This record gives sequence, structure tokens and C-alpha cells, in this order.
Amino acid sequence: EVQLVESGGGLVQPGGSLRLSCAASGLTFSHYYMNWVRQAPGKGLEWVANIKQDGSETYYVDSVKGRFTISRDNARNSLYLQMNSLRAEDTAVYYCATVVGGVDYWGQGTLLTVSS
Amino acid sequence: DIVMTQTPLSSPVTLGQPASISCRSSQSLVHSDGNSYLSWLHQRPGQPPRLLIYKISNRFSGVPDRFSGSGAGTDFTLKISRVEAEDVGVYYCAQATQFYTFGQGTKLEIK
Repeated sequence: EVQLVESGGGLVQPGGSLRLSCAASGLTFSHYYMNWVRQAPGKGLEWVANIKQDGSETYYVDSVKGRFTISRDNARNSLYLQMNSLRAEDTAVYYCATVVGGVDYWGQGTLLTVSS
Repeated sequence: DIVMTQTPLSSPVTLGQPASISCRSSQSLVHSDGNSYLSWLHQRPGQPPRLLIYKISNRFSGVPDRFSGSGAGTDFTLKISRVEAEDVGVYYCAQATQFYTFGQGTKLEIK
């Protein structure tokens, strides 16, 4: 069974930094693109970033370009999101997600709150 | 980027009656591998999204057969044959053909 478990969320001041992690199991992690998706309070789902299987290509939504960095460690079956220069509008639940054989798998999410 | 547009955004339904949600993509979702990566997700308050349907019409494990998906190209539909109380929440269509984008969500509520 595929499992994705996010961690690392918390309360950060505007301008601060935080790194989120996602531990994957039940799949051959190195075979799949991985995504970060977020959901602001009371809002819909927003794709944030993704990374190719070997980490050689990364893509971002415009609002986080230059501030967020997605990375992965295939030896540790782990996905990361380094978030710098955080803003109030980055407040959201962050999910890691992937598609395996056409099937979408999501974690439970981790909450980031950016506030002074 | 592929834009996903859902209608309606709100759907009051009587228990036991059918419900239908439409989703349109701004370009074809047919991938170079021949598959269309169109999914339907259901989310209850305070919970993560849960997969219902993948690749347009395939029910995920444990999903009741009152849920069905159909469509092709750029137009897709989720149907619930008889709405039950546990079906309330927000439904999202999602495409993973090119990156991963979502419809705005459709709130299903009981009349």
C-alpha cells in the first residue's frame, strides 16, 4: 500500500524559512514524479511544485518561483520542500502527492502558518 | 498550463436523488502514452482529499459503485446515482497529464 507522510509544518514569521518533508513507502519511489500541493484555509487545491524521477527537472507555480525549492532523496524515499521568504499567503496545508499507474496518492498533509 | 473548470460550484441534492458534476479542461488530457489522467477527488472538512475515480472512469478501491466517471478529450463528468448523507463535501476534478491542476471544487450539500 502506498503511503505518503508529510512532516515539518508549523508557525513561522513572515520572511522566515521552513523545510517540509514527505516520507514515501509502498512504491518504488525513484520511478515517479512527485508533487507538492497546498490548500489555503477555506480554499481549493493548488499545485505548488513537482520534480522528475531523478531530480533533474523541477517545476513551480509562479507564486513560489525563486522562494521554494523542491528536492528528493531517492535513497531515503523522501521528498522535500524548502520554503524561504515566507508570506502570509503561503499559509496552507501542504500535501505531497503522486500518481502511480494513473492512481493518485496523497498524504495527510502538514499545516504551515505564516504569521507574526 | 491546463485550466480545469467545474460546474456547478454548488449542488444542493435530495437524499436518494442523483447528482452530476462536470469538468472541462482547457486542452486535451490525452497523454503521449495514450492515457487520460483525469481523476475525481472528494474532500470532507478537515480531511485530505480522497480518490474516487482515476483515468476518467476507474473506481478506486473501496469506492461505492454509485460513483461513476465518464468523458473523453476535454469534457468529463462525475455522477452519483443516489446521493447518501456521507457524500457531502467538496468534489474536485484533477488532471495529471501535464503537471497537476485542479478544478475549483463543487460543494455537494443535502437539501
